[in-house]
Amino acid sequence: AQSVTQPDIHITVSEGASLELRCNYSYGATPYLFWYVQSPGQGLQLLLKYFSGDTLVQGIKGFEAEFKRSQSSFNLRKPSVHWSDAAEYFCAVGASGAGGTSYGKLTFGQGTILTVHP
Amino acid sequence: EAQVTQNPRYLITVTGKKLTVTCSQNMNHEYMSWYRQDPGLGLRQIYYSMNVEVTDKGDVPEGYKVSRKEKRNFPLILESPSPNQTSLYFCASSRKVAGAEAFFGQGTRLTVV
Repeated sequence: AQSVTQPDIHITVSEGASLELRCNYSYGATPYLFWYVQSPGQGLQLLLKYFSGDTLVQGIKGFEAEFKRSQSSFNLRKPSVHWSDAAEYFCAVGASGAGGTSYGKLTFGQGTILTVHP
Repeated sequence: EAQVTQNPRYLITVTGKKLTVTCSQNMNHEYMSWYRQDPGLGLRQIYYSMNVEVTDKGDVPEGYKVSRKEKRNFPLILESPSPNQTSLYFCASSRKVAGAEAFFGQGTRLTVV
């Protein structure tokens, strides 16, 4: 069964500082990996996704993530955080194996709440 | 505009009173699902549907029902709500292909007293 772990429940950074949010996954085959952001009172918005190919993926709002198969990780990074980045971030894994019943389902991590200090 | 629409956004109800949360998508997606979000647990899938009249249980289906009579709609039904179903609920839709991006509704905050 697939699973996702986000080790950090809450991270606080100063505006302008760099950011890295950790994500570790467990999946038998090459996974499809996603990062979503949830602003207060809002739904989830896709930041970026990894399917295959280049292991460094660029997303919206200046975010990027790197897939490291050897470490089963897909960490999210941003060089300089803005106050508007304060939100909750979710890493998710999607099934890539054979079997259409798997397609569509996402397994989410517990989420990381990001607080940005001015 | 492509979107997933849930209603209501907020709902307070009493134990045992049947309720329905509606979900509609305008992207002609085959796959729809319901998640609940609880602090420290992330989002957990309740039920999903691969297409019209095809539904199946997710990871936490107890106490919930769904139906998929039309491609665009996927209502979530709580026949007899209990306080442990107090949660934030999200409907999502996607194409039925590997690695498809899920599009989420704005969420429904349900309180059962």
